[in-house]
Amino acid sequence: DIQMAQSPSSLSAAVGDRVTISCRASDNIGAYLNWYQHKPGSAPNLLIFAASSLHTGVPSRFSGSGSGTDFTLTISSLQPEDFATYYCQQSYSLPRTFGQGTKVEIK
Amino acid sequence: EVQLVQSGPEVKKSGESLKMSCQGSGYNFGTYWIGWVRQIPGKGLEWMGIIFPGDSETRYNPSLEGRVTFSVDKSSKTAYMQWSSLKASDSGMYFCARRPRFSSGRDFFTAFDIWGQGTMVTVS
Repeated sequence: DIQMAQSPSSLSAAVGDRVTISCRASDNIGAYLNWYQHKPGSAPNLLIFAASSLHTGVPSRFSGSGSGTDFTLTISSLQPEDFATYYCQQSYSLPRTFGQGTKVEIK
Repeated sequence: EVQLVQSGPEVKKSGESLKMSCQGSGYNFGTYWIGWVRQIPGKGLEWMGIIFPGDSETRYNPSLEGRVTFSVDKSSKTAYMQWSSLKASDSGMYFCARRPRFSSGRDFFTAFDIWGQGTMVTVS
């Protein structure tokens, strides 16, 4: 199985801050990388697919980059509704695997 | 509105079986894979597998060790996940999700775009 490692596991940030989350795959996955946002009590939401393509309806302050084994999710200006846990997921091979998550908390 | 609606919370004892459902509406149910994802308390998301309603083709996560079976009823647009011999470590929230293909350039990519509200399972 391809292992996905996210860093940091948690971070504290203020509204308006620029936030960067990293995701590293154990093998080359090309651009087969998705990002999800998950809030407690709700279902996850797809943010980014194909490493850098913004899903329909997702605010443009979210962006993704990277290819191969190293990927980044960036929130350009953190909003109150962005406090959540973020997961990367590889869609290159079965079984699909998720990173362990990065919790974004209010500073 | 495109949505997936899952069955209600379950409380079970170790060794019991369980069948939960996920009903789709607002789209052509038979042409999108349905996936299952779980979240164990204090842990992240785990991909459990997928099923294609059109022909019931399935892919399972080997970590489930054959304890889970996916099925569909196309007439009611419902996907099912059945557990045999539950363990306390299976307690958690279970989500179903729709899995379309997205095009980017000349390639196709997959991701879960519509999710059910989740089914909480408690095993004692």
